Amino acid sequence: DTEVTQTPKHLVMGMTNKKSLKCEQHMGHRAMYWYKQKAKKPPELMFVYSYEKLSINESVPSRFSPECPNSSLLNLHLHALQPEDSALYLCASSQDSPGGETQYFGPGTRLLVL
Amino acid sequence: GQSLEQPSEVTAVEGAIVQINCTYQTSGFYGLSWYQQHDGGAPTFLSYNALDGLEETGRFSSFLSRSDSYGYLLLQELQMKDSASYFCALLYGQNFVFGPGTRLSVLP
Repeated sequence: DTEVTQTPKHLVMGMTNKKSLKCEQHMGHRAMYWYKQKAKKPPELMFVYSYEKLSINESVPSRFSPECPNSSLLNLHLHALQPEDSALYLCASSQDSPGGETQYFGPGTRLLVL
Repeated sequence: GQSLEQPSEVTAVEGAIVQINCTYQTSGFYGLSWYQQHDGGAPTFLSYNALDGLEETGRFSSFLSRSDSYGYLLLQELQMKDSASYFCALLYGQNFVFGPGTRLSVLP
């Protein structure tokens, strides 16, 4: 199984809402990532979890709050977002090195903030 | 910080060979990866170069020269389904930094 799943596929939320994005993988990967991707732009790294601990936070605003409940699950909690936060949010996972150079991406959650 | 450059667009015909270049202005990275992303889809891994030289995976090959701060992805026997965006990405530990992407259009 080389699949990373993400829910929901689409999300529309107001600026006062609280919502969560979910990501799951069953490949035994110990590194999991959140990326943000705007149209026609490359993915931008937001957070990295390694062995269920936050290892990288790329200066992401506090309205985005990641959580790693266990080695297979990764959540991104959203609160008080802005319209400019509308984007495709991608989750990815990889092995701890060696093999960590291959990231497996989920299909993404397309988020629209109104 | 890291800085990668790629051509924004490349056009080629079916059956042709195309090379997508990636130049960078940094050091201390583990390797250079390439990802393909179709419109509306997620990035998928294509190739990785930890060392200088050529890596071949079927119709796709990737090359890295650390001394020239340069890499490329070579796509052979182009097919219509190869129309997509291609991103190079530098790997720093667990931090992947993506290039701006190259939009490849394959014409019949």
